This record gives sequence, C-alpha cells and structure tokens, in this order.
Amino acid sequence: SQELEQSPQSLIVQEGKNLTINCTSSKTLYGLYWYKQKYGEGLIFLMMLQKGGEEKSHEKITAKLDEKKQQSSLHITASQPSHAGIYLCGADGINSGYALNFGKGTSLLVTP
Amino acid sequence: DAGVIQSPRHEVTEMGQEVTLRCKLISGHNSLFWYRQTMMRGLELLIYFNNNVPIDDSGMPEDRFSAKMPNASFSTLKIQPSEPRDSAVYFCASIRHESGNTIYFGEGSWLTVV
Repeated sequence: SQELEQSPQSLIVQEGKNLTINCTSSKTLYGLYWYKQKYGEGLIFLMMLQKGGEEKSHEKITAKLDEKKQQSSLHITASQPSHAGIYLCGADGINSGYALNFGKGTSLLVTP
Repeated sequence: DAGVIQSPRHEVTEMGQEVTLRCKLISGHNSLFWYRQTMMRGLELLIYFNNNVPIDDSGMPEDRFSAKMPNASFSTLKIQPSEPRDSAVYFCASIRHESGNTIYFGEGSWLTVV
C-alpha cells in the first residue's frame, strides 16, 4: 500500500506567521487530498490535486503537487487561530475505488 | 443536505461486550468507508463498500470485527467481543462516484473499552 509521510508531526506558530506542511509518498500519487480535522470532529475536505505541478488555493491555504507527483505541500499564509487543528494528507490509487490511505497528520497550534 | 451521520457519538463499554456502530450515508452516495483513528496508528481504512458490496476488507483487524451494508444508505460496524485495544475513534465516510472525488466524513464514534 502507499505510504504517506507527513512533516512536521506538530507545529506551533504565532498568529500572522506563514507555515508549510509536507506530505511525501513512497509511490507516484494518483490523487492527493488534504483534509483538516478539529479535535473531536470529523475530517473536513480542503483540496484535491491530481496533476503534476498543480496548485490550488482556498482563502489563505495553498496546496501544491510536485511534477513527479510524489510530494505535496500545504502552505498557510498569515495564520490565524482558526487554522489550528490536524492536517491530514490522503492518497488513492488507480484501483482503490476512491479509498484513501492517510498520513499520520500534522498537528497545528496557532498562538495569539 | 445532511452529512454522513454516525451513532453513537460516544460509547464506553466493558471488555467482552458487543459494540455496534452505525452510519447513514449522504443521500445519493454509492460508496462507503469505515476508518479507525488512534494516536499510534493514525487513520486506518478498515473496509469499504461500493453499491452495497464489500470490496476490500483487508484492513479489518480480526474476525471480531464485521461490517454490513443492508441497504444503500446504511451501514453497521460490529465488534464482538470488544477488547480494550479496540478503543479508538471510528469514522464512516461516503462518496458519490459520479460527482467527483470528494469523500465526506462523519463526526466519528468515540469508543472506549474498559
């Protein structure tokens, strides 16, 4: 199965600072998904990337997929306390029927 | 539209008891996934169904775990007998293939086995 490594495992940043979370795959990615999870809640879909070099943005969050389709990054600009939570990357395979394997997540805390 | 609905949200049970977790898919969705989340292992896929048919149950840890989808909108995950190591958050998720690749997750069922 596809192994996804996320780094860092946890992150504490001051409000207003930028940050980047990385997700690296052991195999070429077919589809790469970013989700956010708040404590005690389910996963909220953020973005999905499929093409090498693709970049998507939503509000202050930008996700990129490298040309080789083995690494993705999630960048948050001018972080706010509302960005706090666990960010998970997930990937599916061509024959996985949309089932996703996930990395272990990056825990983000934004301090005032 | 209502999202994926899971019940119970929280359950504390004694070792050896049967546990049944329930999931209602989003209307019109045709695939369902059961995941388990723990601190040590992260989010693990247990089993998934396409059009009510189990496709891959290789993630189901043991014979104590079983999942069913009696109709297109409802699924259960049963643990019998439960053990303390089953304590985790169990998530159900669903997708409608025709509308793209967004999988929607429920709020999870927090299970504690003592």
